[in-house]
Amino acid sequence: AQSVTQPDIHITVSEGASLELRCNYSYGATPYLFWYVQSPGQGLQLLLKYFSGDTLVQGIKGFEAEFKRSQSSFNLRKPSVHWSDAAEYFCARTYSGAGSYQLTFGKGTKLSVIP
Amino acid sequence: DAGVTQSPTHLIKTRGQQVTLRCSPKSGHDTVSWYQQALGQGPQFIFQYYEEEERQRGNFPDRFSGHQFPNYSSELNVNALLLGDSALYLCASSGLRLAGGLREQYFGPGTRLTVT
Repeated sequence: AQSVTQPDIHITVSEGASLELRCNYSYGATPYLFWYVQSPGQGLQLLLKYFSGDTLVQGIKGFEAEFKRSQSSFNLRKPSVHWSDAAEYFCARTYSGAGSYQLTFGKGTKLSVIP
Repeated sequence: DAGVTQSPTHLIKTRGQQVTLRCSPKSGHDTVSWYQQALGQGPQFIFQYYEEEERQRGNFPDRFSGHQFPNYSSELNVNALLLGDSALYLCASSGLRLAGGLREQYFGPGTRLTVT
C-alpha cells in the first residue's frame, strides 16, 4: 500500500534560520506529491505540488521542495523562517494511475519558531 | 472568489446519534472529497463524489455515507456515532477539467465533531 512517512514529529527553529522538513513516500507508480500547511484549528492550505518535470518546485510563502526519485523523498525547504510559519506541515501523495485521486497523508511535522 | 466552505464549525453529539456535515466546493470545482483527521494524525480519505455519485471510497464502514447535489455541494452523514468518530472532518474540492484535475485538492476549514 502506498504510504507517506514524515520522520520528524516536531521541529523547532529560530526565526531567520533555514528549514528542511523531510518526507519519504513508498515506491510505486509515478507519484504526485504535495505539501500542505495547517494552522491550529484550521483546514489545510496547499503550499506546492509536484506532478512532473522540473524536480525543484516553488510554492507559496517562499517554500520550495525537491523531488528525488532515487531517495523516494520530497523534502520541503525554506531559506529563512518567519514566526508566522509556525504550524503543522503535511506531506501527501497520490498516484498517476487512472481513478487514483485520493490523497494519502503523512502524520505531519509540527514546526515551532523561536523569536 | 469563495473558497471551500463547511458547516457547522463545531458539533457535539452523543454516541448512537446521527450527524450530517455540509460542504460547498470552491467556485469552478465539481468534485468533493471528504477526509477524517483524528487528533495528532494526518487526514484519512473517506470518499469522493463526482457527478452526484460516489467514485472512490477509503477504508471506512458503511456508517459513513454521503451525497452530492446538482450544485456540487455535498453532505457527509455518519450514523450510529462512536466515540472514535470524534475528529476534524475536512472537505476538499477539485475540478476534473482544471489544470490540476482531481488530484489538486483545496480544503475547507473543517467541522470539529465531538462524540460524548
